[in-house]
Amino acid sequence: EIVMTQSPATLSVSPGERATLSCRASQSVTSDLAWYQQKPGQPPRLLIFGASTRATGVPARFSGSGSGTEFTLTISSLQSEDLAVYYCQQYNHWQITFGGGTKVEIK
Amino acid sequence: EVQLVQSGPEVKRPGESLKISCKGSGYSFSDYWIVWVRQRPGKGLEWMGNIYPGDFDIKYSPSYQGQVSVSADRSISTAFLQWTSLKASDSGIYFCARQFCRDYTCYFLFDSWGQGTPVTVSA
Repeated sequence: EIVMTQSPATLSVSPGERATLSCRASQSVTSDLAWYQQKPGQPPRLLIFGASTRATGVPARFSGSGSGTEFTLTISSLQSEDLAVYYCQQYNHWQITFGGGTKVEIK
Repeated sequence: EVQLVQSGPEVKRPGESLKISCKGSGYSFSDYWIVWVRQRPGKGLEWMGNIYPGDFDIKYSPSYQGQVSVSADRSISTAFLQWTSLKASDSGIYFCARQFCRDYTCYFLFDSWGQGTPVTVSA
């Protein structure tokens, strides 16, 4: 099983500031990495696939980067509606795995 | 519009059986894998298993193999997740989701999700 580790567990950011979230894989997943946003009481929403491609309708302030084992999700200018938990997921191996999540709080 | 609509909240006793559902609409149900994902209270997402309704191919997470059963009925565009004997530790929210496809290539990531089915197992 490929283990996905996200850091930090919680991130407090002021509105308008940059938020940087990390995801590490226990072995290479090439670029087969997705990011999801989950707001309280809602199902997850796909943000990024292929490590860096935004899904349809996702604002340009969300960007993804990385390959292999190290990945980053950046929110360039945090908005109040970005309060959520963010999960990474690898799909390189048929046994898909999710990271433990990073909770983004508004400072 | 692609939609996945799940069955409603369940409250069960330990040892009881349960079958929850996920009805797809707005697309060809047979042509996309459906995944089941568990979320324990206040915790992260856990992959449980997938089913491809086209040929009923099923893949289970090793953590859930033998603990649950995944099935589908193409005639009603519905996928199911079933337990024969619930435990208190099975409590949580269960999501179904449809795999993502783009430019005739499909991947095991998920762009359409059901609303979730809360399951509470308590004596």
